[in-house]
Amino acid sequence: KAGVTQTPRYLIKTRGQQVTLSCSPISGHRSVSWYQQTPGQGLQFLFEYFSETQRNKGNFPGRFSGRQFSNSRSEMNVSTLELGDSALYLCASSLEQGVRSEAFFGQGTRLTVV
Amino acid sequence: AQKVTQAQTEISVVEKEDVTLDCVYETRDTTYYLFWYKQPPSGELVFLIRRNSFDEQNEISGRYSWNFQKSTSSFNFTITASQVVDSAVYFCALSDAGDTGRRALTFGSGTRLQVQP
Repeated sequence: KAGVTQTPRYLIKTRGQQVTLSCSPISGHRSVSWYQQTPGQGLQFLFEYFSETQRNKGNFPGRFSGRQFSNSRSEMNVSTLELGDSALYLCASSLEQGVRSEAFFGQGTRLTVV
Repeated sequence: AQKVTQAQTEISVVEKEDVTLDCVYETRDTTYYLFWYKQPPSGELVFLIRRNSFDEQNEISGRYSWNFQKSTSSFNFTITASQVVDSAVYFCALSDAGDTGRRALTFGSGTRLQVQP
């Protein structure tokens, strides 16, 4: 059974640009969550999608957005990139929404903003 | 508000030593879940265990064991006879169930474990 796949693995962008990250969950999983990991702030929740609807959102500015498609694949978008957006972005998939089932994480996308 | 504290930033042990990683949590809810994840250098978070607040039984899985004590709001993780492959960052996480089980994971700051050969 394939795990959670995140693409791309590494990305370098310039301040002011926008970026889209992709996450393919484990087959059959309908919930996808996104987390940002930085040395200063640690792991922070961005948002969760279930059945193409955003079910939960963390405390991030509106520049961070996401969506989920009918096949459960999810994308997150960050517009007007800032240096502080440099981070490892992790996607997690689970069978059900919330924490009723275990969350399995991908290897992440490491975004560097220069 | 939820909070998870992992006071040990970094621990270094020699192979075959036992090591305990501490986790203290705060929540106002009576129903919540606790987790441990391992993050190797590759970056992916590897799920180790999930425990709900009503199940205080300790758990053992091979060389891993977990001690959940509600009285002290702690969920500690012990690795017996550590191995070099155990070197990683370990995260403790908490989520309360809320009304619909929608609360996200709140992570501790992590403990970096270095196992020397």
